[in-house]
Amino acid sequence: DAGITQSPRHKVTETGTPVTLRCHQTENHRYMYWYRQDPGHGLRLIHYSYGVKDTDKGEVSDGYSVSRSKTEDFLLTLESATSSQTSVYFCAISGKTSGEKPSSYNEQFFGPGTRLTVL
Amino acid sequence: GDSVTQMEGPVTLSEEAFLTINCTYTATGYPSLFWYVQYPGEGLQLLLKATKADDKGSNKGFEATYRKETTSFHLEKGSVQVSDSAVYFCALSDAGGYNKLIFGAGTRLAVHP
Repeated sequence: DAGITQSPRHKVTETGTPVTLRCHQTENHRYMYWYRQDPGHGLRLIHYSYGVKDTDKGEVSDGYSVSRSKTEDFLLTLESATSSQTSVYFCAISGKTSGEKPSSYNEQFFGPGTRLTVL
Repeated sequence: GDSVTQMEGPVTLSEEAFLTINCTYTATGYPSLFWYVQYPGEGLQLLLKATKADDKGSNKGFEATYRKETTSFHLEKGSVQVSDSAVYFCALSDAGGYNKLIFGAGTRLAVHP
């Protein structure tokens, strides 16, 4: 268990409303990621972070923004939710260092997911 | 750009049957390769990985060998169980750093008693 939680776990909202999803880790991993999972597409990267206040876009970033003000928290915001953003959202972490890089440095560990429905 | 292609599912097997899920990739450089498994209602868990050509990753009876000449990383298990029913994802590490992963579309496996 890599100590990663997501909140909320389920959310139903209406088109046009803002939504924020939270990812919290307790393992001091350097990198954090947000993915969405849709049938037939596997997981697609939305945004990622490589340090506090350091973020960059992934493959499907349009309509999403992120923030990382602390090592342990990575927020995903949908400024104005649309029905096409109905999906399951996963947070992941990687890059834990302790002296020399452990063999698991490039592995990603996933949270339990948030199911978002936009009506 | 880099990409991963997996065989389409669902794959339906009887208990104790042999499993193969094909995975091929396109990548610049020499990525690490991964298999992740997702059980119903859960997040993804790392099943096994290989970091260089000819490496064999193994875990829980599953195996996959990093084949650079065929750009493949096929997942195999000699005798599946009902509890192996899940969705399996093949992935590679992005050459750009930051440990980013590129995933295949996933293959659903259903094992019947």
